[in-house]
Amino acid sequence: NAGVTQTPKFRILKIGQSMTLQCTQDMNHNYMYWYRQDPGMGLKLIYYSVGAGITDKGEVPNGYNVSRSTTEDFPLRLELAAPSQTSVYFCASSYAHVTTDQPQHFGDGTRLSIL
Amino acid sequence: AQTVTQSQPEMSVQEAETVTLSCTYDTSESNYYLFWYKQPPSRQMILVIRQEAYKQQNATENRFSVNFQKAAKSFSLKISDSQLGDTAMYFCAFTPSGAGSYQLTFGKGTKLSVIP
Repeated sequence: NAGVTQTPKFRILKIGQSMTLQCTQDMNHNYMYWYRQDPGMGLKLIYYSVGAGITDKGEVPNGYNVSRSTTEDFPLRLELAAPSQTSVYFCASSYAHVTTDQPQHFGDGTRLSIL
Repeated sequence: AQTVTQSQPEMSVQEAETVTLSCTYDTSESNYYLFWYKQPPSRQMILVIRQEAYKQQNATENRFSVNFQKAAKSFSLKISDSQLGDTAMYFCAFTPSGAGSYQLTFGKGTKLSVIP
């Protein structure tokens, strides 16, 4: 029963490098989300997707890109890493809209440091 | 824009006792949803309880209950019979209702420690 799987768990990048954070879920959820959590703060939504081929910006999308070619996968790409992107990144999925009684299922997070 | 405020950065409680975590929010929306999430040291975010603003009855889930005061825009979480496994960060979150709303707005969190 894997749920939401994120890879890698930890990563250190140099300024200007690029990378892709992987997220996959095996629950056949239509809705998927990427959040970032800065120290001492709550989560902020970066991007979300309501189904394969459909993505939209959240509260803090600058510096990131996403794609959703399959129901299972929702990768997050950082093109030019900046120190301000040092954070813990969470991927989540849900069967239905956040306002229903269907909860968001979260991955374990990726701790990313930009030096 | 919505804001969520958790005024207690850290709290502690003796095992088996009751603790209340505070949350206030600000919104111009008339209908919305409020949530409490738990984040243990494993970092996994776990939904604890959910409240729909149009329902006057406070939500309960086993040892967890809320005190929802719509006029005061307050949404506190009460944990009864605290257990060691309740040690975690607790986040209050808000989202407006409506088909187009997908964004949860989170507070900064309250770190709860349950003491044996």
